[in-house]
Amino acid sequence: GAVVSQHPSWVICKSGTSVKIECRSLDFQATTMFWYRQFPKQSLMLMATSNEGSKATYEQGVEKDKFLINHASLTLSTLTVTSAHPEDSSFYICSGTSGGNDEQFFGPGTRLTVL
Amino acid sequence: AQSVTQLDSHVSVSEGTPVLLRCNYSSSYSPSLFWYVQHPNKGLQLLLKYTSAATLVKGINGFEAEFKKSETSFHLTKPSAHMSDAAEYFCVVSDRGAAGNKLTFGGGTRVLVKP
Repeated sequence: GAVVSQHPSWVICKSGTSVKIECRSLDFQATTMFWYRQFPKQSLMLMATSNEGSKATYEQGVEKDKFLINHASLTLSTLTVTSAHPEDSSFYICSGTSGGNDEQFFGPGTRLTVL
Repeated sequence: AQSVTQLDSHVSVSEGTPVLLRCNYSSSYSPSLFWYVQHPNKGLQLLLKYTSAATLVKGINGFEAEFKKSETSFHLTKPSAHMSDAAEYFCVVSDRGAAGNKLTFGGGTRVLVKP
């Protein structure tokens, strides 16, 4: 299957700082990338969908000014958590799809802890 | 709108006995259905997917699932559980229509395998 990487795999930051998470498709061109958040012992919740070169579409209740998404190339999307607070601590997972294929290929996730 | 209900939040089985994870879905369009497995602090691994071909789908690691349209179900089974099957399992639906390949996750089922 196609491979998606995320960096970093975990990050700890102070409250009020910003954190950037990278998502890369290593062996395919991801025309669409998705960002999910997963709280402990819960399911994945879609945060936003981004198409290469376009603005991301955010799900209801997700603050676009707090969670900045950039999908500048077909192999890279970034999620920046701005002015992070402890309630933003979570497991963030990205995925990518190629063309009309509805199968998403998931990254290994990034665990964010905000102190 | 699409939704997924995993009927059991926890399933406990003995090693070597069958595993059944139940999933019901609703979808406005012809759905694609997936089962993913997530080991602790890891990303998601695709077990199998249904995309309107054979209703009995065989996946990796001995898992299989049967699509039953009349019952709107997509239950996951394995004849003989292994200790390594202990993980979280997610049933996922994708509407190949207006939702634009957006995935909707079930709440997850945590599988415990007893020796």
